[in-house]
Amino acid sequence: AQSVSQHNHHVILSEAASLELGCNYSYGGTVNLFWYVQYPGQHLQLLLKYFSGDPLVKGIKGFEAEFIKSKFSFNLRKPSVQWSDTAEYFCAVNSAGGFKTIFGAGTRLFVKA
Amino acid sequence: DAGVIQSPRHEVTEMGQEVTLRCKPISGHDYLFWYRQTMMRGLELLIYFNNNVPIDDSGMPEDRFSAKMPNASFSTLKIQPSEPRDSAVYFCASSLGKSQHFGDGTRLSIL
Repeated sequence: AQSVSQHNHHVILSEAASLELGCNYSYGGTVNLFWYVQYPGQHLQLLLKYFSGDPLVKGIKGFEAEFIKSKFSFNLRKPSVQWSDTAEYFCAVNSAGGFKTIFGAGTRLFVKA
Repeated sequence: DAGVIQSPRHEVTEMGQEVTLRCKPISGHDYLFWYRQTMMRGLELLIYFNNNVPIDDSGMPEDRFSAKMPNASFSTLKIQPSEPRDSAVYFCASSLGKSQHFGDGTRLSIL
């Protein structure tokens, strides 16, 4: 069965610190990978996505993620976080041939000003 | 462009009552998804439609839940009878490709 594992449930950082959120997935075929962000009280928004090609994907607001196929990982990174990055981050996967998307449990990031 | 529109934004009702959540997808999108989000279980896919046809309803928790999509611009998720454990935020999302666009959600509280 498909699954998505996010390693950290809660992360607390100071402004300007670097961020890396781990995501591993379990799926036997070709996948599409996503990171979504949910700001407090808001809906999920797409941060970035990987379908194929360059495994280093750049998204909005300075975020990037790297797909490492051999490790079944798609970690999210940002070199310098801001207070406004405080939110919950979800890693998600669907198969290249399907639309059913599996979401990870989410990582709550709190950035101290 | 209008995004995915859900109504109501908040619903508070007593257990045993029927609850109907509504969703208007983005025009032109051919996939529609219903999710439930709780602290304990995270974001769960309940059901999704393609071209108004239900494709996978394996996430629907039990027979008290039902979903319909009578046309390309409207879908409902109904709970009858409602129970306190149904309290959650229910999101609708739509897509044309693989990236989903989410509505603002309906925060449902069953007393």
